[in-house]
Amino acid sequence: DQQVKQNSPSLSVQEGRISILNCDYTNSMFDYFLWYKKYPAEGPTFLISISSIKDKNEDGRFTVFLNKSAKHLSLHIVPSQPGDSAVYFCAAKWVGLAGGGNKLTFGTGTQLKVEL
Amino acid sequence: NAGVTQTPKFQVLKTGQSMTLQCAQDMNHEYMSWYRQDPGMGLRLIHYSVGAGITDQGEVPNGYNVSRSTTEDFPLRLLSAAPSQTSVYFCASSFQGWGYTFGSGTRLTVV
Repeated sequence: DQQVKQNSPSLSVQEGRISILNCDYTNSMFDYFLWYKKYPAEGPTFLISISSIKDKNEDGRFTVFLNKSAKHLSLHIVPSQPGDSAVYFCAAKWVGLAGGGNKLTFGTGTQLKVEL
Repeated sequence: NAGVTQTPKFQVLKTGQSMTLQCAQDMNHEYMSWYRQDPGMGLRLIHYSVGAGITDQGEVPNGYNVSRSTTEDFPLRLLSAAPSQTSVYFCASSFQGWGYTFGSGTRLTVV
């Protein structure tokens, strides 16, 4: 049972345009969401996060939106740059669960390619 | 450099062999965890620890053992390797569940 889903395995956008990566979740207890970026042969690196008490969080070119009623979040990258080409993982956790702060549930990832 | 160090980076095992994947962090993080990444599956939690002497199972713990004798180290042991354990393994640490830092991974092949 995939509790965090990223239905688009890949996305291709032109440099300078907006990249929108989507993520859906089924567990209504999740209350904290994170996005990770992963280059080949490297570990995931933290990009941006959002608490369930917010609907938007922004950090430079990266903005995450959360729609709790739809159990959906999205990552917007504006403008997209070639260096953004990587696999992006959405992750969620239930902070209130005993030990839950240490349990990240990941989506399957979206391969973003930013073309010149 | 501060961070999470995993060794080895690559390993090939024969079915039935045992080995230990090492993970060390120098950030004094209490929380450490092991994930495996498989194609089309994302990262799945194997075991985690919230401090020295405390470990618990994650989503896919079967075939793996862990122990946490120090804050810095969190080794993952495969007692009898199986082809289904062919994967890329990532260790991560965090400050009380915030700000996860991942190692660069161990690519394991079981033949």
